[in-house]
Amino acid sequence: AQSVTQLGSHVSVSEGALVLLRCNYSSSVPPYLFWYVQYPNQGLQLLLKYTSAATLVKGINGFEAEFKKSETSFHLTKPSAHMSDAAEYFCAASRDQTGANNLFFGTGTRLTVIP
Amino acid sequence: DAGITQSPRHKVTETGTPVTLRCHQTENHRYMYWYRQDPGHGLRLIHYSYGVKDTDKGEVSDGYSVSRSKTEDFLLTLESATSSQTSVYFCAIRMTSGGIYEQYFGPGTRLTVT
Repeated sequence: AQSVTQLGSHVSVSEGALVLLRCNYSSSVPPYLFWYVQYPNQGLQLLLKYTSAATLVKGINGFEAEFKKSETSFHLTKPSAHMSDAAEYFCAASRDQTGANNLFFGTGTRLTVIP
Repeated sequence: DAGITQSPRHKVTETGTPVTLRCHQTENHRYMYWYRQDPGHGLRLIHYSYGVKDTDKGEVSDGYSVSRSKTEDFLLTLESATSSQTSVYFCAIRMTSGGIYEQYFGPGTRLTVT
């Protein structure tokens, strides 16, 4: 089974500052990797995904993530935080070509943006 | 929007009572999933379905059962609710995009067991 670790359950940044949310996976075979965002009282929305086509992946709302196999990481970044970025972010992994491709989630990181 | 609805959106029930949550999709997706979300745990898979009458257990299936009698509906049942099942429950469907599978989530059901 996959294991996903998100370092930092809470991250606070100032508006306009760099956002960095960390995600590491544990697998000898790089899985498919995803970042989801959850706004208060809403479901999860897919931000971006890693598919092995490119190590730097761009997503919605100005977010991007870089896959680093040597570090087993898939950290999420955004150059300049907006107030609207305040939400909880989840990293997830799957690796199953023939089965259900079940997702394994990290425990989430809550991002606070300070005006 | 992947055409997923969940009902009810909120429910309060008493310990020991049966509860059924419904997930409905409009786009004929084969795979459907039930997750629960709890603070400090992220989302954990309860059960999933890969077709009508085809289901399998996930990571936290104890105390839950599921049924899928038609493609569009996936039901999650708590036979005898316990306080530990107080949680937010999310349904998801699987789609293919860019050659890989992605999951899209419904709006969630907040269940409180008193």
